[in-house]
Amino acid sequence: QSVLTQPPSVSGAPGQRVIISCTGSSSNIGAGYDVHWYQQLPGAAPKLLIYDNNNRPSGVPDRFSASKSGTSASLAITGLQAEDEADYYCQSYDNTLRGSLFGGGTKVTVL
Amino acid sequence: QVTLRESGPALVKPTQTLTLTCTFSGFSLSTSGMCVTWIRQPPGKALEWLALIDWDDDKYYRTSLKTRLTISKDTSKNQVVLTMTNMDPVDTATYYCARSWRGNSGDLDYWGQGTLVTVSS
Repeated sequence: QSVLTQPPSVSGAPGQRVIISCTGSSSNIGAGYDVHWYQQLPGAAPKLLIYDNNNRPSGVPDRFSASKSGTSASLAITGLQAEDEADYYCQSYDNTLRGSLFGGGTKVTVL
Repeated sequence: QVTLRESGPALVKPTQTLTLTCTFSGFSLSTSGMCVTWIRQPPGKALEWLALIDWDDDKYYRTSLKTRLTISKDTSKNQVVLTMTNMDPVDTATYYCARSWRGNSGDLDYWGQGTLVTVSS
């Protein structure tokens, strides 16, 4: 079954670094398709955070970085701030489904 | 600038058909690579990719909902319409439309604000 698996939650103190993983399979991330990341603040629509595995759109702080390797990808937030408290989703194309997949989402809590 | 806005009924009854319209501006869906995608999010749950239509009028659907979904576009009106038949309470969700300018596997760089659809008798 084609799924992207994320941890349900991660937490960290202000200033710390947190990492969110996104594990896929050979029909999506492992097939070479790009991974994109979105941030969803409470009550708001998702916002593009990272595109094409490791690129930040204009206006996204460089505290956010991402990488991809094999069938997995990860998003790192360094220098965690209170405003980073949100849900984060990964997305990739799946050639079996012929459509996109979203991960289950990860809630980031700033302690 | 690019904007998208979803519109449709806030409440539908079970078994009814839902029709949602995404009205956009700032880009043309006839431009090569351009796509509009529908995504939904049940309350407190994750995003679910539903359907995509591209500049060439190719259409792609979530496998599990393929028999219930239809996506179409009116390029002259800058609108994309999603219909979902046989609505059920489990279809209660916020429905978003979003743009990708780099094809089916591209990132969704602009999103609408979403519209909450409740399915209840």
